[in-house]
Amino acid sequence: GNSVTQMEGPVTLSEEAFLTINCTYTATGYPSLFWYVQYPGEGLQLLLKATKADDKGSNKGFEATYRKETTSFHLEKGSVQVSDSAVYFCALSANNFNKFYFGSGTKLNVKP
Amino acid sequence: NAGVTQTPKFRVLKTGQSMTLLCAQDMNHEYMYWYRQDPGMGLRLIHYSVGEGTTAKGEVPDGYNVSRLKKQNFLLGLESAAPSQTSVYFCASGGTASNQPQHFGDGTRLSIL
Repeated sequence: GNSVTQMEGPVTLSEEAFLTINCTYTATGYPSLFWYVQYPGEGLQLLLKATKADDKGSNKGFEATYRKETTSFHLEKGSVQVSDSAVYFCALSANNFNKFYFGSGTKLNVKP
Repeated sequence: NAGVTQTPKFRVLKTGQSMTLLCAQDMNHEYMYWYRQDPGMGLRLIHYSVGEGTTAKGEVPDGYNVSRLKKQNFLLGLESAAPSQTSVYFCASGGTASNQPQHFGDGTRLSIL
């Protein structure tokens, strides 16, 4: 079946620290992979995506590479800001009516 | 750019009451989805629709019904609310290709007393 596993949170970092949030997946076929961000009281917003193996998605300083050999899609940012504090969700899209499978989310707290 | 609009944003119900959550999208998307979000569990798919007049069950469909009478609207109904349905409900829409993202509304926060 299809599933996504994310590292447990919360993750607490100081401003300008390096961020990694781990995400691994199990999927049948060839899924697309996504990272979404959720700010308090809001819906999920697309952060970045990758649609095939070795693709790198990037946006707003965040990056993630689609690694088929390790079934991973880890989110990274070189220098986090207080404004990056949010919950981050990893997701995969299956071929079956584009249904998404979400990880449980990782809360990031960035302190000044 | 409205995108995906959900109404209401907040609601408190008593056990046994019924209500309908409304979702509207203006992106001409074929697919629409209803999720619930509970602490530590991510988003779980309740029902989805692949086109006007069609609906299908997702991962946690029990206690909910849906309808898609118009392409732009997707309604989620609770016939007899239970405390276990206290959650945040999100509607999303998306295109038919698997590499396209889903677009989310801001959610409806529902409490069942």
